[in-house]
Parts: sequence; structure tokens; C-alpha cells
Amino acid sequence: QQQVKQSPQSLIVQKGGISIINCAYENTAFDYFPWYQQFPGKGPALLIAIRPDVSEKKEGRFTISFNKSAKQFSLHIMDSQPGDSATYFCAASKSYGQNFVFGPGTRLSVLP
Amino acid sequence: NAGVTQTPKFQVLKTGQSMTLQCAQDMNHNSMYWYRQDPGMGLRLIYYSASEGTTDKGEVPNGYNVSRLNKREFSLRLESAAPSQTSVYFCASRDGNNSPLHFGNGTRLTVT
Repeated sequence: QQQVKQSPQSLIVQKGGISIINCAYENTAFDYFPWYQQFPGKGPALLIAIRPDVSEKKEGRFTISFNKSAKQFSLHIMDSQPGDSATYFCAASKSYGQNFVFGPGTRLSVLP
Repeated sequence: NAGVTQTPKFQVLKTGQSMTLQCAQDMNHNSMYWYRQDPGMGLRLIYYSASEGTTDKGEVPNGYNVSRLNKREFSLRLESAAPSQTSVYFCASRDGNNSPLHFGNGTRLTVT
């Protein structure tokens, strides 16, 4: 019940295209869903996060879509750029909980 | 603003050797965490400290010990390193519940 599944494992997109990464969780007690972006040699950095009281959150080219009934959430990167090439991790946690459960990551490559 | 600082950046140990990974944050955060990152497995929690003076086990604590030295510093100790502990170790902190994690840039540890 603690697992967060993430797909695809890797993704190649042309510049200007849309990148979509999907995550699914089991534990209905999770109520905070962040996405982290990690560049080689660096630590993960918060990209965008959502709570289950909304179905979508948009920040610039990045959008999280959230489906509470299906226990799924996804990251959409519009107009993907080579600078977006990184590994993306979805995560889930409970309010007032101490642990974040992370997905295994998606390596995104945006071709120029 | 340095954020979360980890030392060393790289380390090679022989099986059975011991070492301490250091972490310090300058954001006045209450909670601090140690994760390990392995290919295809995301980030797994080793230990965390919800506040100064407290520490708790995470998902994969065996073979590790921690010390919350003060509010700023949280160290991770390997008493007798094993090849299975070859990994990238990340320290993180956050302000409190319902807030995101802030990560350091990691320590890449190889145990031969």
C-alpha cells in the first residue's frame, strides 16, 4: 500500500512536443503529491505539487492532472525543451506524515 | 543561501570500513532526512529526524546509524560498510508537515 508506480521508465520527445509521465498509488491516506526534477549530479528539486481537492494544477509549461477515484496523477510538460531533459520523480505523502514515498523515476530526453 | 549542504561529494570505502556522511541546512527547518537512491528504485528513506533530539527509522535502516547533532546538522554513519551500501545518499530537510522536501546534491559512495 506504500508503493507508488511510475511510467514510463524512459521517454524521448522532440522539442516542442508534449511529455506525459504517469503515476499511480494505492494508499488512500496520501493527500500530497509532489513532482521532483533531478539533473545529473544534483539533488531532486520540487517542480510542482498538488493536493486531492483539485483535479489540475498548472505552473507555466508544467501541469499536474489528478484523478482521485482512479488513484492516479500525471505530469504534462507542454512545449518540451532540451533543458527539460532530466529525471522526474513523482511522490506521495500523508499530511502530518514524515515519509514521502517516491516512484522509481522517468528519464526524459528532449531532442533538439 | 546554501540550502542543504552534504559532505563529502564522493567516497570510496573498502568492505568493513566505517565513515560518516555529514549534512547541514541553513533554512531553520525542523525535520531532516536521509535517503538512498539506487537505479530503478527511486529514493528510499533510511532515517529521519522530525525535530531536534529525535530520530526514527525509515524503510531501509539496517547497517546505518544517525545523529541529530543540533537543529542544523544530521549525520549518517556506516559502521561496517558493505558492497550493498554502494549508492547515492541524499540528505533533505523541510519546514514541517505539508511542506516539500529540500535536497542536498548527494554523496556518491562506492564500497568495494
